[in-house]
Amino acid sequence: SQELEQSPQSLIVQEGKNLTINCTSSKTLYGLYWYKQKYGEGLIFLMMLQKGGEEKSHEKITAKLDEKKQQSSLHITASQPSHAGIYLCGARNTGTASKLTFGTGTRLQVTL
Amino acid sequence: DGGITQSPKYLFRKEGQNVTLSCEQNLNHDAMYWYRQDPGQGLRLIYYSQIVNDFQKGDIAEGYSVSREKKESFPLTVTSAQKNPTAFYLCASSISRLAGGRNEQFFGPGTRLTVL
Repeated sequence: SQELEQSPQSLIVQEGKNLTINCTSSKTLYGLYWYKQKYGEGLIFLMMLQKGGEEKSHEKITAKLDEKKQQSSLHITASQPSHAGIYLCGARNTGTASKLTFGTGTRLQVTL
Repeated sequence: DGGITQSPKYLFRKEGQNVTLSCEQNLNHDAMYWYRQDPGQGLRLIYYSQIVNDFQKGDIAEGYSVSREKKESFPLTVTSAQKNPTAFYLCASSISRLAGGRNEQFFGPGTRLTVL
């Protein structure tokens, strides 16, 4: 089965600073999903990437999928306290099924 | 409002007892999923159902059972055979059982189960 490795495991940044979270797979990513989770709550969908080289942005968050479709990055510009939480990447195991495998998550804290 | 509901939010169980977690969706989604989340381990798939009256084991199905008698409902039973059931349980649904398009999973708020 596919395994996803996220780095870093945790991150503390000062408000206003930029940051990047990475998600790496040993296999081809057929669909890569980024989610955000507040502690003790459900996951909120952020973005989905499918094509090699694809890049999507929403407000101050940009996600990219590399050309080989084995690595994705999530970049936050000018971080705010509202960005704090756990960020998880999830990937389809094959090109035909909808179930996902998730990474272990990156815990982000934003200090004032 | 459309969405996924899970109940209860907190659940306490004595060792040796079975317990059922509820998951209901009104999004008209075909596929539903159950995940378990432990600290530092991300989400692990327990069971999933791609259509009514059908379901498949995920990566950690031992000690759990499910049913899918209605499209809207996918209850999870944690049995006494589950050796370490204390965890945060998340239910999700997606519009289609097939890949293609965005087809993201929508998540419920979760149930925290504690075994005493």
